Amino acid sequence: LAKTTQPISMDSYEGQEVNITCSHNNIATNDYITWYQQFPSQGPRFIIQGYKTKVTNEVASLFIPADRKSSTLSLPRVSLSDTAVYYCLVGGLRGGKLIFGQGTELSVKP
Amino acid sequence: EAGVAQSPRYKIIEKRQSVAFWCNPISGHATLYWYQQILGQGPKLLIQFQNNGVVDDSQLPKDRFSAERLKGVDSTLKIQPAKLEDSAVYLCASTSISGGINNEQFFGPGTRLTVL
Repeated sequence: LAKTTQPISMDSYEGQEVNITCSHNNIATNDYITWYQQFPSQGPRFIIQGYKTKVTNEVASLFIPADRKSSTLSLPRVSLSDTAVYYCLVGGLRGGKLIFGQGTELSVKP
Repeated sequence: EAGVAQSPRYKIIEKRQSVAFWCNPISGHATLYWYQQILGQGPKLLIQFQNNGVVDDSQLPKDRFSAERLKGVDSTLKIQPAKLEDSAVYLCASTSISGGINNEQFFGPGTRLTVL
């Protein structure tokens, strides 16, 4: 399974766009890129998943370049409630193993 | 749709005591996972079940940890005897093999264990 590297922490202010980049140089051909969000005292929650190019849903966008060795989670106009830890994971098998790294602790300030 | 249920939410024990955690996954989810999350770290997979069979328990400390999913639905994780370093949040997750987003796991709220 591919190892991921992402910043330990990031700070932002309400209303700003936040971009969190994750490196996954050893991503395999059949690996998907998935991001989870975790609030204190809660389990992680799925945010978005992609394989290549760009994916957008109601809460975030995921940008994946052609070589797929990195990905960027984009959170538009963050609010205080977006303060959480964000995990980038890569994997390919449905029902398979997820390996969480340390994640990026995002702090949104007023 | 009800989420993943876990109990208890909190548990405080002394070292060398035993403890058990319970998890009820989302109805119809064949795959169930137990994770250990130490403060400041990402969750670490302990064991994965497919129905009532073990798929992966390579990171389960088998000298003190055990888990079962006898009827392929709910599951129990046990620690006996507990050590100080077992203080962590124990998360249960489940996923549906068929359909849905690839590898999307649904997590419960976790059980926070403190070993004194």
